[in-house]
Amino acid sequence: QLQLQESGPGLVKPSETLSLTCTVSGGSVSSTTYCWGWIRQPPGKGPEWIGNIYYSGSTFYNPSLKSRVTISVDTSKNRLSLQLHSVTAADTAVYYCASAYSSGRPHHWGQGTLVTVS
Amino acid sequence: AIQLTQSPSSLSASVGDRVTITCRASQGISSALAWYQQKPGKAPKLLIYDASSLESGVPSRFSGSGSGTDFTLTISSLQPEDFATYYCQQFNSYPDTFGQGTRLEIK
Repeated sequence: QLQLQESGPGLVKPSETLSLTCTVSGGSVSSTTYCWGWIRQPPGKGPEWIGNIYYSGSTFYNPSLKSRVTISVDTSKNRLSLQLHSVTAADTAVYYCASAYSSGRPHHWGQGTLVTVS
Repeated sequence: AIQLTQSPSSLSASVGDRVTITCRASQGISSALAWYQQKPGKAPKLLIYDASSLESGVPSRFSGSGSGTDFTLTISSLQPEDFATYYCQQFNSYPDTFGQGTRLEIK
């Protein structure tokens, strides 16, 4: 069964870069069946989609974050990464790693990790 | 981006009640809609995908319907564990977007 585990600093200073890693087990980031991505949820608010990456390396980002975000995969370690630059307090959220079928249909979410910008 | 509007924003109901939550898209999304249940401190749990397909392991009291711009999530007989917040998500076109949520509370 596919499992996704987020990891990274829980506290980031304003103007710095938020960096998170998602370790994938029970599946391969090289799979053509799935795409991989990140979703975040500010405290007390609904989820916000950040972006996806496909096996081909193609990426799709939320226009609201596109200028500051990079999603990448490391096939040798079977994990994906998120970098969000120039963070502010508005970027404080629980960040979820997520998989979806290549059609876009949602598949699985990790348990999430809280990142506070302060 | 496609906007999703859920109604109601909150709802009080009793165990055994039939409950319906609606999600309206700002433009047609075919059947590319999912529903999630979220409990405090937990990740959202996928209930329904492709508007009406029940995710494996989800009780049959949950059902979804709709296509185009109007969708519904129905819980046929509320159980104590169903009190949570529910979100819809469209995956027809990037960026994926979510509704603002419906909080289902015990009456």
